[in-house]
Amino acid sequence: QKEVEQNSGPLSVPEGAIASLNCTYSDRVSQSFFWYRQYSGKSPELIMSIYSNGDKEDGRFTAQLNKASQYVSLLIRDSQPSDSATYLCAVSNLDSSYKLIFGSGTRLLVRP
Amino acid sequence: KAGVTQTPRYLIKTRGQQVTLSCSPISGHRSVSWYQQTPGQGLQFLFEYFSETQRNKGNFPGRFSGRQFSNSRSEMNVSTLELGDSALYLCASRGPGQGPGELFFGEGSRLTVL
Repeated sequence: QKEVEQNSGPLSVPEGAIASLNCTYSDRVSQSFFWYRQYSGKSPELIMSIYSNGDKEDGRFTAQLNKASQYVSLLIRDSQPSDSATYLCAVSNLDSSYKLIFGSGTRLLVRP
Repeated sequence: KAGVTQTPRYLIKTRGQQVTLSCSPISGHRSVSWYQQTPGQGLQFLFEYFSETQRNKGNFPGRFSGRQFSNSRSEMNVSTLELGDSALYLCASRGPGQGPGELFFGEGSRLTVL
């Protein structure tokens, strides 16, 4: 079992819709959770970090964390074609907090 | 403010050779991490340095090594290259006040081993 699992997609949504990206992790001691966006041929870019249970909103993005279910998600409201990219979920643990474990990413396609 | 700079951007080597990649972090950032990205394995952690000290190392063979200099610039070295080392090598820096996983990535060094 992979430590961080994501559906590879592609997840296809129409412009203006809500895109929901999901991630599960296996290590219960995971403490910090991150969403990175990677455009094709580019490097990853941090878009959200979340450290405690619940929701965290930043503009059109909302990260949701449920540690009991070992589940973290990213919602993108009013999706735009420019949101088309691969979204990487990453986690770090208390005992090695400077090491990020990445999922394989979910490719999102926003159709105009 | 300049971003994370990695050199070279592209390089081709043959099996058995060695390679050194360089990374200049964002000014004021003292933490530098290295990741390997491949289509099959995704992004995998190599190591992390802070103030010239390696704080974490990933599950890579000893052929992979790194160091950090007093000006926070970092290098990684891969010796005795294998075909499977072909990958995009990403360097990331983190500044004071940022969370452990809040990284700024460079554009990467794409290594092809023939």
